Amino acid sequence: AQSVAQPEDQVNVAEGNPLTVKCTYSVSGNPYLFWYVQYPNRGLQFLLKYITGDNLVKGSYGFEAEFNKSQTSFHLKKPSALVSDSALYFCAVSLEYSNYQLIWGAGTKLIIKP
Amino acid sequence: ETGVTQTPRHLVMGMTNKKSLKCEQHLGHNAMYWYKQSAKKPLELMFVYSLEERVENNSVPSRFSPECPNSSHLFLHLHTLQPEDSALYLCASSQDPRITSLELFFGEGSRLTVL
Repeated sequence: AQSVAQPEDQVNVAEGNPLTVKCTYSVSGNPYLFWYVQYPNRGLQFLLKYITGDNLVKGSYGFEAEFNKSQTSFHLKKPSALVSDSALYFCAVSLEYSNYQLIWGAGTKLIIKP
Repeated sequence: ETGVTQTPRHLVMGMTNKKSLKCEQHLGHNAMYWYKQSAKKPLELMFVYSLEERVENNSVPSRFSPECPNSSHLFLHLHTLQPEDSALYLCASSQDPRITSLELFFGEGSRLTVL
């Protein structure tokens, strides 16, 4: 079965420290990979995506993610965390011929402490 | 106007009520989606409409009935719901549902509580 795993329910980071939110996937075929963020009482907001090309993708709010094909991972990173980065982060995967089907992770709650 | 607008933001209903959720997108997109979000679970795709035609129905109970009168509006009609249907219902849109490299644009959600 095709799946996306976000192994940590919650990640705690001190403000100013680097952060990583992990995502691994198991799909057949070439994946398109996405990160979305959900702030409290809000809908999801697109952060960044990997389609092809450079494995390091840069997105909104200083976030970046690295596609690692051999490890089937797409971890989200930021060099210096802000308190305002505290939110719920979702990883999602689609396939080229999957017709609007996104496979979602369960989400990781990121808490940045001042 | 924000890209995707959902109303109401909060809804409390009894199991015998009939209510509707509304979604409107101002992005000129051709596809609209309903998702169900429950705590600590992946988002569940419920329905997909492409150019007002339903193209996906992910085994959703008939107590949920979607309607897409045009490419900008999407409704979710609710009837005789169960307490386990309490969740955040998210509407989303995209330019073309067949191009799976495109990102989704979400509304802020309708928080539904079924008593």
